[in-house]
Amino acid sequence: NAGVTQTPKFQVLKTGQSMTLQCAQDMNHNSMYWYRQDPGMGLRLIYYSASEGTTDKGEVPNGYNVSRLNKREFSLRLESAAPSQTSVYFCASARDRMQGNTIYFGEGSWLTVV
Amino acid sequence: KNQVEQSPQSLIILEGKNCTLQCNYTVSPFSNLRWYKQDTGRGPVSLTIMTFSENTKSNGRYTATLDADTKQSSLHITASQLSDSASYICVVSARVRNYGGSQGNLIFGKGTKLSVKP
Repeated sequence: NAGVTQTPKFQVLKTGQSMTLQCAQDMNHNSMYWYRQDPGMGLRLIYYSASEGTTDKGEVPNGYNVSRLNKREFSLRLESAAPSQTSVYFCASARDRMQGNTIYFGEGSWLTVV
Repeated sequence: KNQVEQSPQSLIILEGKNCTLQCNYTVSPFSNLRWYKQDTGRGPVSLTIMTFSENTKSNGRYTATLDADTKQSSLHITASQLSDSASYICVVSARVRNYGGSQGNLIFGKGTKLSVKP
């Protein structure tokens, strides 16, 4: 019963490097999300995908791009990493975009940009 | 501005004791309120979701209350266990058409870090 799976778990990047965080869910959910969590702050939405084929910006989208590859997979790409992107990234999914649905989170990806 | 404030920031209690965590919000219009548990190094896990019409909801030893009039919620943990040591996050959903269609805008609190000591 995997739920939401994220890779990699840990990554260190140099400033300017690019990388992609992968996320997959096995719950047949329509909606998927990417959040970042920084010390002393609540989780903030980066991008989300209400359904396969659609993506929308969240609260903090600058410096990121996303791809909803299929219903299961939603990737987050950092084209040119900056130290301000050092954070813990969480992928999440929900049955659909209707309010009140439980949102299930992955285990997180710890990213350090030096 | 929509905000979610949690108190205390951190709390230490002895195993077996009860505790109550607080959440105050200024989110409007209100849709629902959720409590999540986040173990160190893990992702948040849902404990409860409450809508406007619900004022209490239980999940095992966890009981959440909601007063939509005063915009306050509490999470009560009964007979605490060592495994309850975690951060507890209050999340309020605003009924606004941000971030795509009818999806509510989730506003996350900063969490309360609970440590249960033997």
